[in-house]
Amino acid sequence: GAVVSQHPSRVICKSGTSVKIECRSLDFQATTMFWYRQFPKQSLMLMATSNEGSKATYEQGVEKDKFLINHASLTLSTLTVTSAHPEDSSFYICSARVVNYGYTFGSGTRLTVV
Amino acid sequence: AQKVTQAQTEISVVEKEDVTLDCVYETRDTTYYLFWYKQPPSGELVFLIRRNSFDEQNEISGRYSWNFQKSTSSFNFTITASQVVDSAVYFCALSEGYGNNRLAFGKGNQVVVIP
Repeated sequence: GAVVSQHPSRVICKSGTSVKIECRSLDFQATTMFWYRQFPKQSLMLMATSNEGSKATYEQGVEKDKFLINHASLTLSTLTVTSAHPEDSSFYICSARVVNYGYTFGSGTRLTVV
Repeated sequence: AQKVTQAQTEISVVEKEDVTLDCVYETRDTTYYLFWYKQPPSGELVFLIRRNSFDEQNEISGRYSWNFQKSTSSFNFTITASQVVDSAVYFCALSEGYGNNRLAFGKGNQVVVIP
């Protein structure tokens, strides 16, 4: 149980375009979703926390207009990287809090902007 | 603010050797949770263990064991008789409160098991 499905797993996009990453909780309701970014050989850095039905809370230094997060339902949260640039190339991973369990993670999305 | 320190960045061991990964944490909360995750090259995070601040019992799961010591704010992880499949990055993480809050990750330990 407590599975988060994240898509796509890999995406290559052209500079200036937007990319949407989806995370779906398959067998539970995800009230809170966390979005992380991970550069090669580095740790996971929290970008933002989203709660269903309300605006996301972004960490300091994360541009909210560039990384749009939508959490319109209890089973779906999306991260849209707008006007992507090569420096946005990274591994993005979502995580949901699960009551009495802890946290479950999506499988991650490797974004390459060319 | 919560903080997790994993001092060693890359550790190489020969297969069948034991390897211990150190994790030291900082928090002002009396209630918190500690985690270990494994991240293989494919990137997904694999949950290994969760421990709350009121449970200092050590735990063993197969070749994995964990030593939680509140007196030194440490939650160390040992892999016994390492195997090539253990090669991965291992993260220690902390969440404060009753698990409603964000996870703070350490920098991770890259474990390389040499056959």
